[in-house]
Amino acid sequence: EVQLVESGGDLVQPGGSLRLSCEVSGFTVSDHYMDWVRQAPGKGLEWVGRSRNKANSYTTEYAASVKGRFTISRDDSKNSVCLQMNSLKTEDTAVYYCARGSKWHLEGFYYYYTMDVWGQGTTVTVSS
Amino acid sequence: DIQMTQSPSTLSASVGDRVTITCRASQSIGNCLAWHQQKPGKAPKLLIYKASNLQSGVPSRFSGSGSGTEFTLTITSLQPDDFATYYCQQYNGYPLTFGGGTKVEIK
Repeated sequence: EVQLVESGGDLVQPGGSLRLSCEVSGFTVSDHYMDWVRQAPGKGLEWVGRSRNKANSYTTEYAASVKGRFTISRDDSKNSVCLQMNSLKTEDTAVYYCARGSKWHLEGFYYYYTMDVWGQGTTVTVSS
Repeated sequence: DIQMTQSPSTLSASVGDRVTITCRASQSIGNCLAWHQQKPGKAPKLLIYKASNLQSGVPSRFSGSGSGTEFTLTITSLQPDDFATYYCQQYNGYPLTFGGGTKVEIK
């Protein structure tokens, strides 16, 4: 069974750092794109960033709101993906979901990927 | 950035109703459109990808259509388990973006 389990959410002060982890089972994380998506309290979904698979050199993309502060990394030995969050702001308060970005299709000359399986989320609160 | 606009934001319906949700993209996204369902306190769940492809295990009462900039999600014969919030999401370009969501409520 495919499962994604996030951990590491906590209460942190503005300007602080936090590292979220997403451990997966039922598939090999290095073979897949992985996304982070967040949801502020009472709000909609906001994409945070993406790590492409090993075949694509684990290259990354980020939302403008987190670029330069957040970093997605992989740990193949633990079959996991991490989100390092630095310089946290109150507006980063949200439930953070990791998602497998494996639903792809070919359109024209390019492959396009979206999320097909989601974790249950971990809560990050940034407050003094 | 590609803006995704969903309508309506809230929809009141009864069990057995046919429900349609619309999603518009600010520029053409081809067929790079997914629909996700989210229940309160739960993670989202993929329903539809490539605008009209049903994800494995999703009931056939759900269907998607459209291409370019106009897309719809239709639920024929709404069931009690379908009361939830639905999000469209484009994956044609970065940043990936979601619509604001449509909450389907019990009438």
